[in-house]
Amino acid sequence: GQQVMQIPQYQHVQEGEDFTTYCNSSTTLSNIQWYKQRPGGHPVFLIQLVKSGEVKKQKRLTFQFGEAKKNSSLHITATQTTDVGTYFCAGELAGANSKLTFGKGITLSVRP
Amino acid sequence: NAGVMQNPRHLVRRRGQEARLRCSPMKGHSHVYWYRQLPEEGLKFMVYLQKENIIDESGMPKERFSAEFPKEGPSILRIQQVVRGDSAAYFCASSPLIGGAFFGQGTRLTVV
Repeated sequence: GQQVMQIPQYQHVQEGEDFTTYCNSSTTLSNIQWYKQRPGGHPVFLIQLVKSGEVKKQKRLTFQFGEAKKNSSLHITATQTTDVGTYFCAGELAGANSKLTFGKGITLSVRP
Repeated sequence: NAGVMQNPRHLVRRRGQEARLRCSPMKGHSHVYWYRQLPEEGLKFMVYLQKENIIDESGMPKERFSAEFPKEGPSILRIQQVVRGDSAAYFCASSPLIGGAFFGQGTRLTVV
């Protein structure tokens, strides 16, 4: 079945450093989505990427969808303590009834 | 426009009892997902529903678990004869036909 992989599961950075994480799918995706979950909270939708090679920015966050539509990256410039949380990617296959499959997420901690 | 509403937020059940978790999707959203999350783990897909239809229940245990999304009213995730291993956070998410999923705040189920 479809698998979405995020490795590593944890990453620690110093405040002000840049951070990049990757998401890889075993199959070609229709679209990929990114979510953020704060400790004790619920996942919050950040962005959806649909086109091959698409790049989208949200302030210090840059999201990219690979050319083959099988991988994606999230880059955070100059991390802040407010960036702490778990970042999930989720892939969706083509087709009207395709479910959203989540990766296991990467938990980011930021040292002040 | 209210977000995805889940209730109860916290639910305590004794072993052998039934747990009923409710999810009201965002207005205009016709798709509902249920996910299960253990502490410091990812989101495990359980079931994907549209109104009156189960689209994909490949993540749902074959026994004791059931889900529905009736024409009127909230989506219900039902767990019969709960066991300690059912203790987890259960998140519901709704989405429109195209676009990201919006999560409720979850129901934290504790089986004692």
